[in-house]
Amino acid sequence: ETGVTQSPTHLIKTRGQQVTLRCSSQSGHNTVSWYQQALGQGPQFIFQYYREEENGRGNFPPRFSGLQFPNYSSELNVNALELDDSALYLCASSLPLTGADYGYTFGSGTRLTVV
Amino acid sequence: GQSLEQPSEVTAVEGAIVQINCTYQTSGFYGLSWYQQHDGGAPTFLSYNGLDGLEETGRFSSFLSRSDSYGYLLLQELQMKDSASYFCAVNPDSWGKLQFGAGTQVVVTP
Repeated sequence: ETGVTQSPTHLIKTRGQQVTLRCSSQSGHNTVSWYQQALGQGPQFIFQYYREEENGRGNFPPRFSGLQFPNYSSELNVNALELDDSALYLCASSLPLTGADYGYTFGSGTRLTVV
Repeated sequence: GQSLEQPSEVTAVEGAIVQINCTYQTSGFYGLSWYQQHDGGAPTFLSYNGLDGLEETGRFSSFLSRSDSYGYLLLQELQMKDSASYFCAVNPDSWGKLQFGAGTQVVVTP
């Protein structure tokens, strides 16, 4: 059973550019959530996808968007990058309604730096 | 507003016991989770409380009081490898859209 894998591990982008981050969920997990973790802070919920549909969104602007594919992998897209978007982006996968008791599996994240 | 409060840092010696408190105020509450994160690594699940009371998992225990909007994580027999950040996180529903606190840095000294 594989865990959650994210790519790339590190990325440097220029302000105003667009970026796509990728996440392969744990085998059998059909729910993927994305989080942004600024340095020294806790992860902040961006949005969640379940069976290719957005299933809830945190307090992030529309320039943060996502996709989930039939194999349950997922992408996070960020347009018009700002300096404050520099952070560790984490994805977590789970099965719905069972993850709470057993925890959610996080990937190691993508470290995005915007210059 | 919604908030989770936990201490920013705790220092203790090997073999000691550490308690990390977490108070929360959120619009929805399904349960309280605890995660450990080493520098630059993935958060890893430690414990979950859906009901009031104590949950024990090896050296780690977690407690929840829904009426007090309060929980804690107890780390016993501290080891050097326990040096990490610990986050409490509210599950607002059963779907896992976790709301995390800012984290507690635990420093274990010899």
